[in-house]
Amino acid sequence: DGGITQSPKYLFRKEGQNVTLSCEQNLNHDAMYWYRQDPGQGLRLIYYSQIVNDFQKGDIAEGYSVSREKKESFPLTVTSAQKNPTAFYLCASSMVGAGYTEAFFGQGTRLTVV
Amino acid sequence: SQELEQSPQSLIVQEGKNLTINCTSSKTLYGLYWYKQKYGEGLIFLMMLQKGGEEKSHEKITAKLDEKKQQSSLHITASQPSHAGIYLCGATGGAQKLVFGQGTRLTINP
Repeated sequence: DGGITQSPKYLFRKEGQNVTLSCEQNLNHDAMYWYRQDPGQGLRLIYYSQIVNDFQKGDIAEGYSVSREKKESFPLTVTSAQKNPTAFYLCASSMVGAGYTEAFFGQGTRLTVV
Repeated sequence: SQELEQSPQSLIVQEGKNLTINCTSSKTLYGLYWYKQKYGEGLIFLMMLQKGGEEKSHEKITAKLDEKKQQSSLHITASQPSHAGIYLCGATGGAQKLVFGQGTRLTINP
């Protein structure tokens, strides 16, 4: 079955540590996205990528980094520079081309700083 | 950049009642999406609207995009407990940048 997989589902990080969230898709989608969701709030865009080896900052990129070395993978690193990293992180992917198509979402990773 | 404003932010309705959620954009909407989210889970795609005046329905949920393509509404008829969750509107601006509103939390009381 095609889909988008995030791992792990729960992640705990000590203050001052970097941590990497995984996002893999087998939908052959060109575009991939990372969002952050805080309690009672919507999704805020962290980074997005339309093609391999290229990505753009979203609205809240500070303290985060990404890479897009393979079409299927778009890992997100939460660095120690992110002052308030505890949140729910969602990854998505979509096709790129003529017209608009829906984005498919993973089940999310809940990151907690301890 | 494009900003989406949803209203209301929270909604509590009695089972069987109708309800409407609105999504207003600061710019023209070229691809407007409605998603539903259960707490702590990913988003489930509901509908996509592209053309001014377009209306789509799925079961008891109807979404519309106004003629000026700056506002969309999501209407649920005869609400059921299964409709409870967070509803989010999203839009694609330039360069495939997909942004979302802040969400509407819907509670259905029996």
